[in-house]
Amino acid sequence: EAGVAQSPRYKIIEKRQSVAFWCNPISGHATLYWYQQILGQGPKLLIQFQNNGVVDDSQLPKDRFSAERLKGVDSTLKIQPAKLEDSAVYLCASSNPRLLSYEQYFGPGTRLTVT
Amino acid sequence: AQTVTQSQPEMSVQEAETVTLSCTYDTSESNYYLFWYKQPPSRQMILVIRQEAYKQQNATENRFSVNFQKAAKSFSLKISDSQLGDTAMYFCAFRLSNSGYALNFGKGTSLLVTP
Repeated sequence: EAGVAQSPRYKIIEKRQSVAFWCNPISGHATLYWYQQILGQGPKLLIQFQNNGVVDDSQLPKDRFSAERLKGVDSTLKIQPAKLEDSAVYLCASSNPRLLSYEQYFGPGTRLTVT
Repeated sequence: AQTVTQSQPEMSVQEAETVTLSCTYDTSESNYYLFWYKQPPSRQMILVIRQEAYKQQNATENRFSVNFQKAAKSFSLKISDSQLGDTAMYFCAFRLSNSGYALNFGKGTSLLVTP
């Protein structure tokens, strides 16, 4: 079984530029999560999808961050314009809601540096 | 809101020794899951062990075991016979069990296993 795929692995941009991250979850996993992990902290949820609908985006800075999951599979997270404080690792995770444990499987992450 | 606290930012243990990582959490709910995740340097996060709150028996996975004290809201991880490959960040996480809620993570404990 292929794991959660993310790209790019690393990205360096200047502040006020735009950036997009891509995630492909494990096949059949209806639930997809984007987390932001700032250095020295635990991951924090940005947005959660169930199929192509948003379940929770209460911590997503909507003035600059957007995310979509158009066909209920792949997802894209965008930042426009980026700020210095957006430097972090962006983790994508997926889970199968048919499993009671809802175990989440994580991708390798995208490390974003904003200069 | 649920909070997770890991009070040990860094720990060190010698190979073959035993180490215990601490975690406390705060919730008013009675049904939930607790997790320990491992994040090796520059590698993706993987699940180490899971505990359902309704189970009194402590979970065990090979060299990893937990001490779950529900009344005290404490969830510590014990690693026996530590190996160099155990060097990683360890995150304690909480999730409500009703549906596919996202994980609430602690800030993590950096564990270094030395020869």
